[in-house]
Amino acid sequence: DTEVTQTPKHLVMGMTNKKSLKCEQHMGHRAMYWYKQKAKKPPELMFVYSYEKLSINESVPSRFSPECPNSSLLNLHLHALQPEDSALYLCASSHLTLSGRSYEQYFGPGTRLTVT
Amino acid sequence: DQQVKQNSPSLSVQEGRISILNCDYTNSMFDYFLWYKKYPAEGPTFLISISSIKDKNEDGRFTVFLNKSAKHLSLHIVPSQPGDSAVYFCAASDNYNTDKLIFGTGTRLQVFP
Repeated sequence: DTEVTQTPKHLVMGMTNKKSLKCEQHMGHRAMYWYKQKAKKPPELMFVYSYEKLSINESVPSRFSPECPNSSLLNLHLHALQPEDSALYLCASSHLTLSGRSYEQYFGPGTRLTVT
Repeated sequence: DQQVKQNSPSLSVQEGRISILNCDYTNSMFDYFLWYKKYPAEGPTFLISISSIKDKNEDGRFTVFLNKSAKHLSLHIVPSQPGDSAVYFCAASDNYNTDKLIFGTGTRLQVFP
């Protein structure tokens, strides 16, 4: 099973709202990722969690706040977003080798976020 | 600086023929390369990968070739099927920033009957 699930599938929020995106995997992967993808562009890395600890933050604005409650779950809390934050938000996970190397990342279907 | 480049934004191929998608990279530290397929409004799906110690990897209709001296890789799909119509991204990683996949800009493949 190489499935990563994401909820909700679509989300429309105003600039003053607070919402959360959720991601779950049951492949035993210990690395989980958040990406942002705009139309006709490649996925853009936002955050990486390794062994439930934040290992990479790609200088993402603080209005995006990640959380990894356990090894299967990853959340992205959203607050005071701007219209330009509208995009497809993708979660991914990967296995980590004993040396901490990751190889293939498996992506979820994404959450289509629209900020009005 | 675009470290992974896919210079062809689109490719059109007849069903049954071979599709060849190309990818060039500039960072000689990259040692692992992947191809992903993406349908609209869906997440990328992992297709096939290759380590820099190999020059070819095959999985069914998909074969990836790596030419390290030219810093070039290609994905061959044969025979092409209409269901292969999607955007294809190549990606690369190195042993120092292993969590970071560097993606190319994508090539839209259309397979027509």
